[in-house]
Amino acid sequence: SQQGEEDPQALSIQEGENATMNCSYKTSINNLQWYRQNSGRGLVHLILIRSNEREKHSGRLRVTLDTSKKSSSLLITASRAADTASYFCATTNAGNMLTFGGGTRLMVKP
Amino acid sequence: NAGVMQNPRHLVRRRGQEARLRCSPVKGHSHVYWYRQLPEEGLKFMVYLQKENIIDESGMPKERFSAEFPKEGPSILRIQQVVRGDSAAYFCASSPHKDTEAFFGQGTRLTVV
Repeated sequence: SQQGEEDPQALSIQEGENATMNCSYKTSINNLQWYRQNSGRGLVHLILIRSNEREKHSGRLRVTLDTSKKSSSLLITASRAADTASYFCATTNAGNMLTFGGGTRLMVKP
Repeated sequence: NAGVMQNPRHLVRRRGQEARLRCSPVKGHSHVYWYRQLPEEGLKFMVYLQKENIIDESGMPKERFSAEFPKEGPSILRIQQVVRGDSAAYFCASSPHKDTEAFFGQGTRLTVV
């Protein structure tokens, strides 16, 4: 069964706008990670946030984590057409298994 | 530094044949994960191995599927007597420690005809 569930499943925005994707999970976690996947390619790691952290930044990416609500959000600011991809959240638990959600398909229109 | 290498990139098998998918992790990484992905869907966890040991295989069907990560050589995901429903992209990832980022290969796209 999937641990994380992303919301929305699909998102279409104009270049320059911000994109926000949410992830909810079910059980306690050690950390939560966000990955990006271009069509038909392997996944690329974006950012990792540990269970004792609440917010993390990397360039145009901002990730928040709310362990009380078992949720995380990924914000991409000033989006570009090249940001078009699928974005997945993944969690690790005590068993160290890395479990993925169903993903958000982001389309950034030029 | 070479990343995670998977081969073959594409594999076509007839129903009933065996499929062997190889994954060479990043040098020095001892944790390997295998995932299966259907088009437009997320990655479904199959198995987690740590050098010669299977840590968690809860996502892998008990029949026809097996995985190994020997002391020397790549990790192998083996599917015996393939069926059409096995057609999917299979991704391998590796990490140096637990609870760290995972590095993904480009996947093997298996087509069963």
